[in-house]
Amino acid sequence: EAGVAQSPRYKIIEKRQSVAFWCNPISGHATLYWYQQILGQGPKLLIQFQNNGVVDDSQLPKDRFSAERLKGVDSTLKIQPAKLEDSAVYLCASSLGGDEKLFFGSGTQLSVL
Amino acid sequence: AQKVTQAQTEISVVEKEDVTLDCVYETRDTTYYLFWYKQPPSGELVFLIRRNSFDEQNEISGRYSWNFQKSTSSFNFTITASQVVDSAVYFCALAGGTSYGKLTFGQGTILTVHP
Repeated sequence: EAGVAQSPRYKIIEKRQSVAFWCNPISGHATLYWYQQILGQGPKLLIQFQNNGVVDDSQLPKDRFSAERLKGVDSTLKIQPAKLEDSAVYLCASSLGGDEKLFFGSGTQLSVL
Repeated sequence: AQKVTQAQTEISVVEKEDVTLDCVYETRDTTYYLFWYKQPPSGELVFLIRRNSFDEQNEISGRYSWNFQKSTSSFNFTITASQVVDSAVYFCALAGGTSYGKLTFGQGTILTVHP
């Protein structure tokens, strides 16, 4: 079974630039999550999708972060404009439903200079 | 608000030693779930174990075991006969209510197993 795919694996940008991350969940998984993991900390939930609808985005900094999940499959997380404090690993996870075990991707490591 | 605390930042052991990772949590939910995840250098979080708040029975699964004590809000994790491949960052996490996905993670414990 293919796992959760994320790209790019690494991204380096300068502050105030824009960046986008892509996630392809496991086939058939209705629920998709984006987590932010700052170095030395545990992951923090940014947004949860159920199919193509947002379930929870209470911790998403909406002034600069946006996410979408078109057609209820792939998802894109965007940061515009990036700040130094956005440097982190962005993890995507998926599950069959909201009460099922999560499967994580390897993440996208973002460095903002 | 939910909170998970892993007091041990780093642990170093020699292969075949047993090692226990501590986790203390705070939640106002009456129903919740506790998890342990492993994060190897590849970065992918790997699910290890899950426990719900109504089941305090402690179990053993292979070399893994856990001790859930609701009275002290602790959910400790033990690896028996550690191996070099166990070297990773281990996270304790909490999900309140009925959703497994909205996880609150602890800071993580870096485990290094030396040959």
